Amino acid sequence: GDSVTQMEGPVTLSEEAFLTINCTYTATGYPSLFWYVQYPGEGLQLLLKATKADDKGSNKGFEATYRKETTSFHLEKGSVQVSDSAVYFCALASTGTASKLTFGTGTRLQVTL
Amino acid sequence: SQTIHQWPATLVQPVGSPLSLECTVEGTSNPNLYWYRQAAGRGLQLLFYSVGIGQISSEVPQNLSASRPQDRQFILSSKKLLLSDSGFYLCAWSTGGSRETQYFGPGTRLLVL
Repeated sequence: GDSVTQMEGPVTLSEEAFLTINCTYTATGYPSLFWYVQYPGEGLQLLLKATKADDKGSNKGFEATYRKETTSFHLEKGSVQVSDSAVYFCALASTGTASKLTFGTGTRLQVTL
Repeated sequence: SQTIHQWPATLVQPVGSPLSLECTVEGTSNPNLYWYRQAAGRGLQLLFYSVGIGQISSEVPQNLSASRPQDRQFILSSKKLLLSDSGFYLCAWSTGGSRETQYFGPGTRLLVL
């Protein structure tokens, strides 16, 4: 079945540091790939997505590229801010009935001054 | 634009009591609807999804049930709550089809005592 593997957290960075959160996946066919962010006590917000190989999703300074050859979708940001502190989830949606999401376990990011 | 509502926001219930959580979507027709549970400090587990009125698919056997009495209404229920039902319940919607983006509601935090 489908699966998503994320790097373990928590990740602690100083403000303006470079961020990478690794995500690899296993799926049949050509899934869509997503990064969602969850701030404390809130639901999930879509951060970015990519629907086919070599697509780059970007939003709010975050980027991720759909790499089919390495089955990866790593999240990057060049300069993090304290306001980026949250839990980040990588997810995929395979072909089939509905758009069921398979999530990674989430990576907590803590950015300090 | 589309919006998704969940209520209540927070609920504290005794073991053995019934449960009803409601989710409604505005601004779209015939959405796919989803219920997820997020246990404390863990990832998200898909519980149910629906592709139309009266159509419910269950992903995991459990103490919960779901119903879709109207096109944009999705209800999560239980006849008798267990301690293990505690968690953060998230409703989401997507357009019809597969590999589509899911958009999440604000969530309901349920504590069973």
